Amino acid sequence: GAGVSQTPSNKVTEKGKYVELRCDPISGHTALYWYRQSLGQGPEFLIYFQGTGAADDSGLPNDRFFAVRPEGSVSTLKIQRTERGDSAVYLCASSLLGQETQYFGPGTRLLVL
Amino acid sequence: AQSVTQPDIHITVSEGASLELRCNYSYGATPYLFWYVQSPGQGLQLLLKYFSGDTLVQGIKGFEAEFKRSQSSFNLRKPSVHWSDAAEYFCATRSQGNLIFGKGTKLSVKP
Repeated sequence: GAGVSQTPSNKVTEKGKYVELRCDPISGHTALYWYRQSLGQGPEFLIYFQGTGAADDSGLPNDRFFAVRPEGSVSTLKIQRTERGDSAVYLCASSLLGQETQYFGPGTRLLVL
Repeated sequence: AQSVTQPDIHITVSEGASLELRCNYSYGATPYLFWYVQSPGQGLQLLLKYFSGDTLVQGIKGFEAEFKRSQSSFNLRKPSVHWSDAAEYFCATRSQGNLIFGKGTKLSVKP
């Protein structure tokens, strides 16, 4: 079946602009995760949804970052007033409720000029 | 707090040679442990996972890993490396809902 998809695959924006990154999880997966991977680093946790609600948002670096999952499926990660330090690959993953295996999408590469 | 350490940043092996990638974890109880592989421009693909039971875990693409509680390790092994194995490898542990990753080991394969 279809895996996790993310759009866009690449996004270039200017410092101070607003961006939205989209994640479409595997059908039927109730848990959805966002991670950020900076160059030369492993992915770092941002936020985790169980259904429509954020079960854990402790990884969001500051209040410029926000994510939603209004219908319990597609999720959007929103970044306000982007900074050059936000440049990274943003990865989305999903898993079944009660299952520990997370399946990752290809990521969105964000470049803030 | 839970953590994962991958001591080797970059490893080069010859095609056909054996491979071992190191991973050490920090956690008091039995951890959930994973190895993922990331090829250039690709997402993370799960190679194998350990939750409990048999400490030698078989994964995809001929990889295996052994959980050793006494050494707090979960090293990834492959008896014979193929050129297509060149990629970055991440060890991870599960913390409540999310995964905590190591910094990764980049594997290069020489002919």
